[in-house]
This record gives sequence, C-alpha cells and structure tokens, in this order.
Amino acid sequence: QKEVEQNSGPLSVPEGAIASLNCTYSDRVSQSFFWYRQYSGKSPELIMSIYSNGDKEDGRFTAQLNKASQYVSLLIRDSQPSDSATYLCAVMNRDDKIIFGKGTRLHILP
Amino acid sequence: EADIYQTPRYLVIGTGKKITLECSQTMGHDKMYWYQQDPGMELHLIHYSYGVNSTEKGDLSSESTVSRIRTEHFPLTLESARPSHTSQYLCASSEVGTGANVLTFGAGSRLTVL
Repeated sequence: QKEVEQNSGPLSVPEGAIASLNCTYSDRVSQSFFWYRQYSGKSPELIMSIYSNGDKEDGRFTAQLNKASQYVSLLIRDSQPSDSATYLCAVMNRDDKIIFGKGTRLHILP
Repeated sequence: EADIYQTPRYLVIGTGKKITLECSQTMGHDKMYWYQQDPGMELHLIHYSYGVNSTEKGDLSSESTVSRIRTEHFPLTLESARPSHTSQYLCASSEVGTGANVLTFGAGSRLTVL
C-alpha cells in the first residue's frame, strides 16, 4: 500500500462548479497534511496546509481532514480555467518525511 | 517569490560525467529536501536534511549524494551520470515552528544524460 494515494484523474469540472479532490494516507500517526498545485513544467506551490480534524477555508479553497478515516480532501469552489493543474496531496509521516501522492489532474471546462 | 535557487536549470551531459546540482535558500530554513520527478509522474523524496551536517536518504533509492556544510546550501552530486538519471530534480526547504513543514520549492534542475 502506497503511503499517500490519490486518483490520478483527469477530473473534468465545468467552470463555476465545485471541484472535489481526495487523498488517503496509510500512516495513522501523521499530523501534517498539505495540498500543492503544480502547473505543467512548473514547481509545486502550496495551496493549503491542515493539521487538525475538520475544515479549513481559504478563499475558494477548503481543506477537510478526517484522521479517523485517514482521509484528506480539497474543495475548490467557483472553479476557474486557471485552476486547471495537477493537485498533489502531501503528508508528513512518522519519520518526518514529507511524502507526495501521484497527484490528480484537474481540468476546468470553459 | 520563492527565495530558493537552483542551478543549472537545464543540463545535458554525457554518460560518466560528474555533476553537481546546486541549491541555495536565503530564508534561514533548517530543513532542506531533494525530490526527483519524471514528466507527469509523482515526486519521490531522495534526500533530506534537518540542518548543518545532517543528511538522510529518502524513500527512493538514488545513486546521488548530498552535503550540508552551510545552512543555506544543499548541493546534490552524481559521481558518474547515466541515462537512467535523466529527470527533473526539485530542491525544497521548510522552517521549523509556525508554518512548519510547508515546503518552498526551487524552479528545478532538468537533467538529461545522453
């Protein structure tokens, strides 16, 4: 079982709709969780970090964490064509390593 | 703008050559990382460091080596490059404490070994 799992997509969402991205992780003691966005040919950039159960909102983005289910999600409201990118889920494991999932390719349809 | 710099951005080199990819950050971050990413594929952690004179291997086995003699500098070296080393190498750093473990990435070094 991979440490961090994501559906690779592509996930196609109409402009203006809500995009929902999901991630599961295997290390139950993980405490730090991150969502990064990576445009083609560019480096990843942080979208959200979340450390405790529940929701965390920042503008159009909401991260959700459920440690009991070992599940992290990212919601993007009012999706824009500029949101088309690969979204990477990252988890800090018990060894203090930050491990990335394979990423989900998101395509916003104009 | 990210204060973490990688050089060279692009390198094409022949098999057997020794190469060093440079990574420097001006943020005073203690933690630094090297990830390897093939086009369209996931990031694999190959090396990380908690501070000066601290280096650890990541999850992906790599023939590269790293050093951390100064806080701001974390170079990666391949003693004898091979075509299998062709990839994108991403350096990142993070602070400890508030905002801990949030990675700031450099622009990357794209290596092609012929």
